[in-house]
Amino acid sequence: QKEVEQDPGPLSVPEGAIVSLNCTYSNSAFQYFMWYRQYSRKGPELLMYTYSSGNKEDGRFTAQVDKSSKYISLFIRDSQPSDSATYLCAMNAGNNRKLIWGLGTSLAVNP
Amino acid sequence: NAGVMQNPRHLVRRRGQEARLRCSPMKGHSHVYWYRQLPEEGLKFMVYLQKENIIDESGMPKERFSAEFPKEGPSILRIQQVVRGDSAAYFCASSADSPEVNSPLHFGNGTRLTVT
Repeated sequence: QKEVEQDPGPLSVPEGAIVSLNCTYSNSAFQYFMWYRQYSRKGPELLMYTYSSGNKEDGRFTAQVDKSSKYISLFIRDSQPSDSATYLCAMNAGNNRKLIWGLGTSLAVNP
Repeated sequence: NAGVMQNPRHLVRRRGQEARLRCSPMKGHSHVYWYRQLPEEGLKFMVYLQKENIIDESGMPKERFSAEFPKEGPSILRIQQVVRGDSAAYFCASSADSPEVNSPLHFGNGTRLTVT
């Protein structure tokens, strides 16, 4: 079993939809959770960075962490075609050398 | 643009040749990480360096791969005697602080290595 599981998709939604992206993990020591967006042929770009449990909002993006269920989510409101990308979750217990990545979910937002 | 700069963007090498990948971290960042990305495996940590020091190379194959981050100039990831299995996207990331501070990593756009 992988330490971090992420549904690869692809996920296809109409413009304006609310998108929910999720990761599950097995290591209860993980405390720091990140979401990165990766466009085709580009490097990962940090979207959200959260510590421990709870919600964090930034514009149209909301990150949720439920440590009791070992489950994290990224919500995108009013999705746009420019949100079409692969979304990667990443997490660690407090050391960037031990950052564990999901395989990414491919999202397509259709105009 | 003061982001992480990687070059070349694309590199084609024949089997047995050497590949040299370069990375200039963000301005003010002195911590550099190299990752390899394959479609079915995701991002895999290879090596972490500070200026003039390799701190952690636990993710790097022991043979043919080496990395450096000299006092002056970019970080270099070198792959000697490349084989087809080395074909992948190689990403460099940098951060302002040591790994234990856990400040976010900022990535370059990668070098796509193709071995023919």
